[in-house]
Amino acid sequence: GQQVMQIPQYQHVQEGEDFTTYCNSSTTLSNIQWYKQRPGGHPVFLIQLVKSGEVKKQKRLTFQFGEAKKNSSLHITATQTTDVGTYFCAGRKLGTGFQKLVFGTGTRLLVSP
Amino acid sequence: DGGITQSPKYLFRKEGQNVTLSCEQNLNHDAMYWYRQDPGQGLRLIYYSQIVNDFQKGDIAEGYSVSREKKESFPLTVTSAQKNPTAFYLCASRNSRTGSNYGYTFGSGTRLTVV
Repeated sequence: GQQVMQIPQYQHVQEGEDFTTYCNSSTTLSNIQWYKQRPGGHPVFLIQLVKSGEVKKQKRLTFQFGEAKKNSSLHITATQTTDVGTYFCAGRKLGTGFQKLVFGTGTRLLVSP
Repeated sequence: DGGITQSPKYLFRKEGQNVTLSCEQNLNHDAMYWYRQDPGQGLRLIYYSQIVNDFQKGDIAEGYSVSREKKESFPLTVTSAQKNPTAFYLCASRNSRTGSNYGYTFGSGTRLTVV
């Protein structure tokens, strides 16, 4: 079945450093979404990418969707302690008519002040 | 405020018992989902429902059952057939009629522990 892997599994940075998580799917995706889950909380939707090569920005966060629509990345510039949490990508397999997402394994980010 | 309510927040189950996790939404969303999250892992899909009185198995449906008698409600029953039920269970919904521009809205989850 469809698999979505994320690397790294865990990253610990100092506040102000940059952070990137990478998402790779075994199948071509029709779209990809990103979620953030704070410790002890539930996932919260951040953004959706649909087009091949698409880049979107939200303040210090930059999201990219690969040309082949099989990978994606999330880059955070100058991390802050409020960025702490686990970041998940989630994709819908190309050709599936219903929005049924497969979630990635997640990257846990820890930011030290 | 609209949202998804999951209850209870914590649940303890004895081996051999069935338990039902509640999920209610007032967002008028058509689609609802149940995911399971284990420590250090991603979310795995248990069941999903596109409309009332219809639901489909996800990737790990064995040992679970659901119903969708009302648009607002999508309860999940963890049966005694589920071999390793201790996990964090998340319910989510989405308005499928507005296209694919919006993500899932998640409830705050139920943490189930088998004792």
